[in-house]
Amino acid sequence: EDQVTQSPEALRLQEGESSSLNCSYTVSGLRGLFWYRQDPGKGPEFLFTLYSAGEEKEKERLKATLTKKESFLHITAPKPEDSATYLCAVQAWGATNKLIFGTGTLLAVQP
Amino acid sequence: DAGVIQSPRHEVTEMGQEVTLRCKPISGHDYLFWYRQTMMRGLELLIYFNNNVPIDDSGMPEDRFSAKMPNASFSTLKIQPSEPRDSAVYFCASSEGDTQYFGPGTRLTVL
Repeated sequence: EDQVTQSPEALRLQEGESSSLNCSYTVSGLRGLFWYRQDPGKGPEFLFTLYSAGEEKEKERLKATLTKKESFLHITAPKPEDSATYLCAVQAWGATNKLIFGTGTLLAVQP
Repeated sequence: DAGVIQSPRHEVTEMGQEVTLRCKPISGHDYLFWYRQTMMRGLELLIYFNNNVPIDDSGMPEDRFSAKMPNASFSTLKIQPSEPRDSAVYFCASSEGDTQYFGPGTRLTVL
């Protein structure tokens, strides 16, 4: 069964304190791995898609990386506005456009 | 574009009542997805459509749930009769490629 596990469940950082979020996955054949950000009371907002091991994507203070078993979302020098829940999802080959989500990491960045 | 539009944003109803949630996808997108999000189970895919045709409804919890997409710009998710355990945030998302774009959600409370 395809599965996505995110860790930690929650993370509290001081402003400027870099860290990483983990997304481990088990899927029959990975077509794509997706990162979303979700603010309270809002829908998930797309961040990145990664397709193959070794691929990296960057956006401002965020960098996503992918291996054959997991993905990391690195946050460099975070700011309070980076506080949100970060969701990881996988898409398997043959499961047309269907995403399986992890339960997310709740990130709080304190000034 | 206005993004994915959902209505109502909040719905409070009593057990046994019929509930209808509405979604307008982004113009030009050919996939539409309905998700449910709860603290316990995270974000779960209920059903998705391609070109207005239901492709996979394996996530629909039971016969009380039904979804329709009469045209490319409108979809409904109906719960009849509603139960307290249906209380959750329901999201609609649309895509034309791999990336899904989410609406703001409908927070449903069944008393």
